Amino acid sequence: AQSVTQLGSHVSVSEGALVLLRCNYSSSVPPYLFWYVQYPNQGLQLLLKYTSAATLVKGINGFEAEFKKSETSFHLTKPSAHMSDAAEYFCAVSDNFGNEKLTFGTGTRLTIIP
Amino acid sequence: GAGVSQSPSNKVTEKGKDVELRCDPISGHTALYWYRQSLGQGLEFLIYFQGNSAPDKSGLPSDRFSAERTGGSVSTLTIQRTQQEDSAVYLCASSSSPGPPPYNEQFFGPGTRLTVL
Repeated sequence: AQSVTQLGSHVSVSEGALVLLRCNYSSSVPPYLFWYVQYPNQGLQLLLKYTSAATLVKGINGFEAEFKKSETSFHLTKPSAHMSDAAEYFCAVSDNFGNEKLTFGTGTRLTIIP
Repeated sequence: GAGVSQSPSNKVTEKGKDVELRCDPISGHTALYWYRQSLGQGLEFLIYFQGNSAPDKSGLPSDRFSAERTGGSVSTLTIQRTQQEDSAVYLCASSSSPGPPPYNEQFFGPGTRLTVL
């Protein structure tokens, strides 16, 4: 079965500092991987996705993630944090056998320190 | 058109009562998913519809949970004889079609927050 593990349920960074949110996956087949963001009282919004094309994926709001097969990782980064980045972030892996249901990590709450 | 909508946004019910949660997907989207977000279990898949059929119900936690979709559009998730552990945010998502790459993005609704007293 496919799964993802997010290290760190809470991450705090200063405004302007690097954001690094960690995700490791487990999959017996080449995975499809995603990062979603959830702002308070809102649904999930797709930040970016990896579907076996480029290993460095650029998403919205200045975020990017790099797929590293050797490390089974798909960490999310942003060079300079902004106050508006405060939210909860979820890494997910897709069932790529036809219905594409998502299996989510436990989430990382990102706090930005002014 | 408009995004995925869900109603009600909040539902408070008493233990043992039945509840119905509604999802209106994006027009034209054939695939529809229900997920549950709770403190204890995180975000978990419940059921997947392709058109009006549900080929994957593997995430439904018990036979108290059921869902249907009519006209290839609106979906209703029904929870019978609600229990306190059913308290969660129920999220609906739709996509234009599942299948081989390129992956079709799932668009999420704002969710229904269910509280069982």
